[in-house]
Amino acid sequence: EDQVTQSPEALRLQEGESSSLNCSYTVSGLRGLFWYRQDPGKGPEFLFTLYSAGEEKEKERLKATLTKKESFLHITAPKPEDSATYLCAVRALSGGYNKLIFGAGTRLAVHP
Amino acid sequence: ETGVTQSPTHLIKTRGQQVTLRCSSQSGHNTVSWYQQALGQGPQFIFQYYREEENGRGNFPPRFSGLQFPNYSSELNVNALELDDSALYLCASSFGVEGTDTQYFGPGTRLTVL
Repeated sequence: EDQVTQSPEALRLQEGESSSLNCSYTVSGLRGLFWYRQDPGKGPEFLFTLYSAGEEKEKERLKATLTKKESFLHITAPKPEDSATYLCAVRALSGGYNKLIFGAGTRLAVHP
Repeated sequence: ETGVTQSPTHLIKTRGQQVTLRCSSQSGHNTVSWYQQALGQGPQFIFQYYREEENGRGNFPPRFSGLQFPNYSSELNVNALELDDSALYLCASSFGVEGTDTQYFGPGTRLTVL
């Protein structure tokens, strides 16, 4: 069964304290791994897509990496505005349609 | 380029009622997917519409149904509402049913069932 697990569930950081979020997955035929940011009560905001092991993407203080079994979202010198829930999703091509399977997310709080 | 929009923002219904949620796709997109997100959980796939036809469904009962219109906007209908239907309903649009397209999400509709 296709599955995505994110850890930790919640993370509290001091401003400037770098850390990493983990997303492990099992899916038959990975066709993309996606990272989204979600603020409370709002829709997910697209951050990155990764397609193959070894691929890396960067945007400001965020860097996403991908291996055959997991992905990491590295946050360097975070600021309070980086506080949000970070969602990981994998694309499973099942029956000819584009379905995203999400993890439960990591709630990140960055304190000044 | 306009993003994905959803209406209404919030909705309160009572158990047994019916509800219709609406979504306008991002310009240039022809595929719409609907997700249900319970509090503290990740979004769960409900179904997908491509060129006005449903072409994929998650583990949701038939009382969850939808439509896609020629302009690629979409509706999600839920009949016989249950308390567990209380959630944030998200619409995502993309281009193409397969391939490497990214899904872009709207702001969501918060449904509360009393």
